[in-house]
Amino acid sequence: QSALTQPASVSGSPGQSITISCTGTSSDVGNYNLVSWYQHRPGKAPKLVIYDVSKRPSGVSNRFSGSKSGNTASLTISGLQAEDEADYYCCSYAGITYMMFGGGTKLTVL
Amino acid sequence: EVQLVESGGGLVKPGGSLRLSCVASGFTFSNAWMSWVRQAPGKGLEWVGRIKSKTDGGTTDFAAPVKGRFTISRDDSKNTLYLQMNSLKTEDTAVYYCTTDNPVITSFDYWGQGTLVTVSS
Repeated sequence: QSALTQPASVSGSPGQSITISCTGTSSDVGNYNLVSWYQHRPGKAPKLVIYDVSKRPSGVSNRFSGSKSGNTASLTISGLQAEDEADYYCCSYAGITYMMFGGGTKLTVL
Repeated sequence: EVQLVESGGGLVKPGGSLRLSCVASGFTFSNAWMSWVRQAPGKGLEWVGRIKSKTDGGTTDFAAPVKGRFTISRDDSKNTLYLQMNSLKTEDTAVYYCTTDNPVITSFDYWGQGTLVTVSS
């Protein structure tokens, strides 16, 4: 099974909103409401920012939101800040293959 | 504060073996399901394998590329997770992350900073 598809890069200016898409199939994203998103800054441990498609862990800013339509999930970051610059990875439960990640999206804050 | 600290990475020849360790603190390790996730150079994340808590059977599952070559074990008395990697291939070169694997939210809620494994002759 191939990884979930994400754009290689997105960018935005401080204060703007950006959306990162994550496209899978009916065997993963489309079949389960079990999509999570991870923020990975260079040299740091990855951090969970969204789970169950749209839920935020305690302590994660409400500027992060998630959604899903069909086989595509999305992460939206509003009010962009310099500290949001990082790589973002989506992940979906995929049944027998357990968990499938996306290829990652590099977010640049201009 | 939850902390996961991996160690044991290094350079190994193809066909060789390596054991990674992950020391956990800040939560009840014995109750936790744990996974290993890796990232090859320039690539995305890839789930490697998982071990359930002993209460939930202590069973392991692996991704297809490593099944039969990698094993996961845990020592709850030492709050330590292990990844034994045998018959290593060049394509196993990656940073290996230890993560908590939360079955309630089906997510990897805490991660270590990773340890680099390089498989090269």
